[in-house]
Amino acid sequence: DIQMTQSPASLSASLGETVTIECLASEDIYSNLAWYQQKPGKSPQLLIYDASSLQDGVPSRFSGSESGTQYSLEINSLQSEDAATYFCQQHHDYMYTFGAGTKLELK
Amino acid sequence: EVQLVETGGGLVQPGRSLKLSCVASGFTFSSYWMYWIRQAPGKGLEWVSSINTDGGSTYYPDSVKGRFTISRDNAENTVYLQMNSLRSEDTATYYCAKDRGWYNSGYFDYWGQGVMVTVSS
Repeated sequence: DIQMTQSPASLSASLGETVTIECLASEDIYSNLAWYQQKPGKSPQLLIYDASSLQDGVPSRFSGSESGTQYSLEINSLQSEDAATYFCQQHHDYMYTFGAGTKLELK
Repeated sequence: EVQLVETGGGLVQPGRSLKLSCVASGFTFSSYWMYWIRQAPGKGLEWVSSINTDGGSTYYPDSVKGRFTISRDNAENTVYLQMNSLRSEDTATYYCAKDRGWYNSGYFDYWGQGVMVTVSS
């Protein structure tokens, strides 16, 4: 099974800053990666799919990139509403796995 | 507006069964793969099952294979999760989710509000 190692587990940043969250796949996942945002008590929301494509309605301050088996989510110009937990997710051969999550706190 | 509404959760004893339902609206249900994904309290997300558009193909991780069964009724716009031989580690919020594409994109663009399943004696 493909494992997704997500880092950091948590981070704290200030309004207006830029943060990066990373996921390392245990093998090649051919850009089959998504990022989700989950706020407390709410269902996850799709932000990015195919590693770098922005889901409809998602602000352009969210962006995704890849380098080999390392995938990154960048959030620019942090807003208060970006405080949440972020998960990466891969799919391969009809199997799906998530990273452990990154809790983003705004200072 | 896409809506997914899960029902059927509750408290159940270990070894017993429970069936979850998810009623969909706002899209052509029969054209999309559907999924169940769970989240244990305070934990991360775990994919539980997938079903293709006509219900002929289903997929499970090893953690639930042989105990859980996903099915769908396209006439009723409903996807089900039959959970047998429940264990304490199955305690979680269970989400129904829709595939993003007209094919198996592998991404989940709409999620239900979730239903809590607690397995305890």
